[in-house]
Amino acid sequence: QQQVKQSPQSLIVQKGGISIINCAYENTAFDYFPWYQQFPGKGPALLIAIRPDVSEKKEGRFTISFNKSAKQFSLHIMDSQPGDSATYFCAASIIQGAQKLVFGQGTRLTINP
Amino acid sequence: GAVVSQHPSRVICKSGTSVKIECRSLDFQATTMFWYRQFPKQSLMLMATSNEGSKATYEQGVEKDKFLINHASLTLSTLTVTSAHPEDSSFYICSASERGPNYGYTFGSGTRLTVV
Repeated sequence: QQQVKQSPQSLIVQKGGISIINCAYENTAFDYFPWYQQFPGKGPALLIAIRPDVSEKKEGRFTISFNKSAKQFSLHIMDSQPGDSATYFCAASIIQGAQKLVFGQGTRLTINP
Repeated sequence: GAVVSQHPSRVICKSGTSVKIECRSLDFQATTMFWYRQFPKQSLMLMATSNEGSKATYEQGVEKDKFLINHASLTLSTLTVTSAHPEDSSFYICSASERGPNYGYTFGSGTRLTVV
């Protein structure tokens, strides 16, 4: 019940296209859903995060869509650029008590120029 | 934004020696810090959770006597890999959580440990 399932494992998108990564969770107590971007040899960096009281959050080219009833959330990267090529992780946690993040398996995104 | 500084970024040590990795929250107080290990092309694996002033909570399968964690202040946590062996070679990442209105988890830049 603590799992977060992420798909696809890898994704290739043409420059200018939309990259979509999906995650699903089981634990309905989760109330914080961040997405992280990781470049090789670096730590993950927070891209965008959402709470379950909203269905969508947009920051620049990055949008999280959240479906509470389906227990799914997704990351959309609009106008994908070669510099977006990285590994993306979704995660979930319970805010109260700053409990540990549960990570998805990661998606390796490649943007072809 | 919140910044977590992790040092060293790379370290090579001989088998049998100990290595200490530091994790500092630079502009916020981190009541809770987390230590992860990441193998190539895999997700982050949580090793332990440390709360300031108390013993760390280790995940199942993580040897607490091998991976010593100290969280003596609200801005510093350390991970010491004792009696390192080649199989301990990995990418270690710390994270600090910030509570309140700026709730979130900030990650350090990671430490590449190579045991020879």
